Amino acid sequence: EAQVTQNPRYLITVTGKKLTVTCSQNMNHEYMSWYRQDPGLGLRQIYYSMNVEVTDKGDVPEGYKVSRKEKRNFPLILESPSPNQTSLYFCASSLRGFHEQYFGPGTRLTVT
Amino acid sequence: GENVEQHPSTLSVQEGDSAVIKCTYSDSASNYFPWYKQELGKGPQLIIDIRSNVGEKKDQRIAVTLNKTAKHFSLHITETQPEDSAVYFCAASANTDKLIFGTGTRLQVFP
Repeated sequence: EAQVTQNPRYLITVTGKKLTVTCSQNMNHEYMSWYRQDPGLGLRQIYYSMNVEVTDKGDVPEGYKVSRKEKRNFPLILESPSPNQTSLYFCASSLRGFHEQYFGPGTRLTVT
Repeated sequence: GENVEQHPSTLSVQEGDSAVIKCTYSDSASNYFPWYKQELGKGPQLIIDIRSNVGEKKDQRIAVTLNKTAKHFSLHITETQPEDSAVYFCAASANTDKLIFGTGTRLQVFP
């Protein structure tokens, strides 16, 4: 089944404790992206990747890191999480460019 | 940069009625306008999109219209059903790298 998977789905952590949210797609898509969703703010892009070893900042990149060593994986890294990073995170992928993005099921992160 | 405004934030309709959600964008160079539907507990899913060289596109009960002069586009859902209840997001893009999303509309369809 073609899909985007994220792990974990739920995570509660404390301020400053490094964490990684994994994202994987099995559709051989070139484009991958991370978004955060907050009430009243919609979806905001954190980072995106046009292809392996190519990443770029979205609209809200502060406090996040990403890497794209393999085509199928695009992990999101929070080196020192803070409470303002409490949010619902979505990974997405598309065959080429940002058109027709497929979204993962989301990761709900709480930072206390 | 691009900015997308979406209205209304909530919309309640009776089953069988029509629903309309409107978005405006700021960058006149925008040329791609998708709509995503997000059901409870799931990620957004693309339901329809339109490019700037087309004024209207229809897919069964869903249609999108684009007015480039006024810089706004709308989603129209006819004969609404309870399964249409979800959060809908519009988006716009003026380049090949990323989308800018609206803030979402929560649609409730009452039986």
